[in-house]
Amino acid sequence: EADIYQTPRYLVIGTGKKITLECSQTMGHDKMYWYQQDPGMELHLIHYSYGVNSTEKGDLSSESTVSRIRTEHFPLTLESARPSHTSQYLCASASTLDYEQYFGPGTRLTVT
Amino acid sequence: SQQGEEDPQALSIQEGENATMNCSYKTSINNLQWYRQNSGRGLVHLILIRSNEREKHSGRLRVTLDTSKKSSSLLITASRAADTASYFCATDEGNGNKLVFGAGTILRVKS
Repeated sequence: EADIYQTPRYLVIGTGKKITLECSQTMGHDKMYWYQQDPGMELHLIHYSYGVNSTEKGDLSSESTVSRIRTEHFPLTLESARPSHTSQYLCASASTLDYEQYFGPGTRLTVT
Repeated sequence: SQQGEEDPQALSIQEGENATMNCSYKTSINNLQWYRQNSGRGLVHLILIRSNEREKHSGRLRVTLDTSKKSSSLLITASRAADTASYFCATDEGNGNKLVFGAGTILRVKS
């Protein structure tokens, strides 16, 4: 079982709210990732980080932002949630010495 | 951009049978990985095959890679009900930092 945690696991919020999805890992991995996944569909990379103070946008256009102030923590923020943001958000991490990514359990977000 | 295409989209077999899933990709790769996802959960890494390898085994899993055809296959032998999950291939295009995932194959193993 990977030591990567996401909170909350489920979240239902109203349109226009600001939310932060938390992701933490205890493996000391430098690389961290956020993916968006609709049910039964492929994963889309929305943000990634190579280390502290490093963040990059992924392949999927997103209205979210991320920060990487500490190695173990990579939160994702939606400034103003919309129904189109309804999806599952998966966080992952990887060592610089390895290609394998370790995934958290995901946050299922519903925006009403 | 989507790199991997998986085939079939869904597969239903009886316990004890073998399951084969295929993945095709478009650009040169450094390695290809297979992941499993149980319903509503995160992904779990199964196996990695490097671009200079043709076949790899891990327990009941066998992965092949054909770089000339830009395709890979995952074989699960003697399937069990617990193998019921979605299976994704993911390609590393060489920078070691980003993976591109396919759409996945939904496998159902009936007991």
